[in-house]
Amino acid sequence: QSVLTQPPSASETPGQRVTISCSGSSSNIGSNTVNWYQQVPGTAPKLLIYRNNQRPSGVPDRFSGSKSGTSASLAISGLQSEDEADYYCAAWDDSLTGWVFGVGTKLTVL
Amino acid sequence: EVHLLESGGGLVQPGGSLRLSCAASGFTFDFYAMTWVRQAPGKGLEWVSVISGSGGSIYYSDSVKGRLTISRDNSENTVYLQMSSLRPEDTAVYYCVKVGVGAAAHAFEHWGQGTLVTVAS
Repeated sequence: QSVLTQPPSASETPGQRVTISCSGSSSNIGSNTVNWYQQVPGTAPKLLIYRNNQRPSGVPDRFSGSKSGTSASLAISGLQSEDEADYYCAAWDDSLTGWVFGVGTKLTVL
Repeated sequence: EVHLLESGGGLVQPGGSLRLSCAASGFTFDFYAMTWVRQAPGKGLEWVSVISGSGGSIYYSDSVKGRLTISRDNSENTVYLQMSSLRPEDTAVYYCVKVGVGAAAHAFEHWGQGTLVTVAS
């Protein structure tokens, strides 16, 4: 099972806002930054958010991230059909000395 | 433009060996840590191993420790994953990933397209 906890699925209609949560512990999210990845089916993952809330160039500002304590969240506003994908949170874990991922959240745009 | 091209995947019997390669271009290779992330069919992402830019620091996930070996050749801009004692549960797409630095430290900045490893008899 994954070290970071995410809901397996989420759905919302176009134009609306959706939030995906990611819960960890003091050894990972509690002491390190959180990154988010987007994976459109059949393609390689892509970095979406780094250092909790920073967007790489080219990522629309509809995507935002936040972190508080041992939890983090990804928010997507103004949902578009192209946002339909799997979203993963990840963080370095000091106890495991390696990265840990969430199980992934499959986002459906209704 | 960063480009990562994996090769070496294929079908191998349980207990067998395979070596994956990842040819990198478009960035100063020896400045960046490189990592392997895998994804079993229909499953989520799993971190496998990381090697620092100099090759002096290496870490593995518990699930592969002692069976998979990461290395790099900075003169060839290539990172490798030597896989031995393979098990059916190692079946996955293996992605080669460039790790960020500075503000993007610990972020998996760029991903290759992946290479499929199938362990089956």
